[in-house]
Amino acid sequence: SQQGEEDPQALSIQEGENATMNCSYKTSINNLQWYRQNSGRGLVHLILIRSNEREKHSGRLRVTLDTSKKSSSLLITASRAADTASYFCATDFHRSGRLAFGKGNQVVVIP
Amino acid sequence: GAGVSQSPSNKVTEKGKDVELRCDPISGHTALYWYRQSLGQGLEFLIYFQGNSAPDKSGLPSDRFSAERTGGSVSTLTIQRTQQEDSAVYLCASSLVAGGAYNEQFFGPGTRLTVL
Repeated sequence: SQQGEEDPQALSIQEGENATMNCSYKTSINNLQWYRQNSGRGLVHLILIRSNEREKHSGRLRVTLDTSKKSSSLLITASRAADTASYFCATDFHRSGRLAFGKGNQVVVIP
Repeated sequence: GAGVSQSPSNKVTEKGKDVELRCDPISGHTALYWYRQSLGQGLEFLIYFQGNSAPDKSGLPSDRFSAERTGGSVSTLTIQRTQQEDSAVYLCASSLVAGGAYNEQFFGPGTRLTVL
């Protein structure tokens, strides 16, 4: 079942601008992960934030986690045309580590 | 090192036929997961392996679906008597350990299954 819910679901920005997307979830989690998908194929792991972490950075990516609000945000700074993709949040809430994915957020970066 | 690989990348089959999808996880990863992605259902969990055993099969949509893993490595997802609603992209992922705070999953490129 879907647990994550991204907002907004579609985003179109100019190259160089920042892109922010949010994700909400329903149950307590072990960690939350963000993935990128190009052309409906394999998912590329971007970043994992653990339930006891509040903020994490990786290159141009910044992820925040607010467990009290059960929400996370992904910020992509100085966007590039190559950032055009679908972005998914996924929560690890089960002892098996199975992930529950949101519906995805389509980002289009216009050169 | 090599990432997760899947084969075939595309599979077209006729309704009623059986298909086998293969996943080669990252070497040393003990946990392996199968998901599928379709337009109507998004990304859904199917089954999870820890070593060669499958403690969680709760996502398999029907008894036509089965999977196995051998040698703690390669996994095969089998769909018997395929139906049109089985058409989807089947994704495999592996992680060093299962569950907990460190369960970073790495995905393969997927197999696109089309049932005519």
